[in-house]
Amino acid sequence: EVVMTQSPATLSVSPGERATLSCRASQSVSINLAWYQQKPGQAPRLLIYGASTRATGIPARFSGSGSGTEFTLTISSLQSEDFAVYYCQQYSNWPPYSFGQGTKLEIK
Amino acid sequence: QVQLQESGPGLVKPSETLSLTCTVSGGSISSYYWSWIRQPPGKGLEWIGYIYYSGNIINYNPSLKSRVTISVDTSKSQFSLKLSSVTAADTAVYYCASEVDCSGGGCKDYWGQGTLVTVSS
Repeated sequence: EVVMTQSPATLSVSPGERATLSCRASQSVSINLAWYQQKPGQAPRLLIYGASTRATGIPARFSGSGSGTEFTLTISSLQSEDFAVYYCQQYSNWPPYSFGQGTKLEIK
Repeated sequence: QVQLQESGPGLVKPSETLSLTCTVSGGSISSYYWSWIRQPPGKGLEWIGYIYYSGNIINYNPSLKSRVTISVDTSKSQFSLKLSSVTAADTAVYYCASEVDCSGGGCKDYWGQGTLVTVSS
């Protein structure tokens, strides 16, 4: 099983600032990496697919990068609606399609 | 716009079988892979398994494989989850979801709103 490790567990950032979230895979997943945003009481929302492709309707302030085992999600200028939990997920190796444990992005 | 809706009992007794159904509306259940994913309260996401709409490709998380069955009924635009011999550790919000579709110039997937299943006597 590919283990996905996200850091940090919690990130405190002020609105308008940049946030950088990291995700590491225990083995190469190429670019088969997605990022999801989840708010309390809601289903996860797809942000990034293929490591760097924004999903439909996702604002340009969200960007993804990386390949192999190291990945980054960057939010260039945080808006109030961006404070949530973010998960990375690999879909390169089944079983299973594993998620990271999540990074909680909170208001500083 | 494709919509997914989970349905099933919110309370299941220990050792019994959890049964959930996901109904797909606003689009066709055909040509996609369909998944079940769960999230224990306050914890992260776990992929349970997925099924191709034709039913000829099914894969389960090894950690649950001995207890899980996923099936599809295209005539009803539904796919289902059965998890046997449940314990309190199976208490979670259960989501159904589509595969990510990157045709048509953008990538998107569809999720149900989730349903909380509590295992308790």
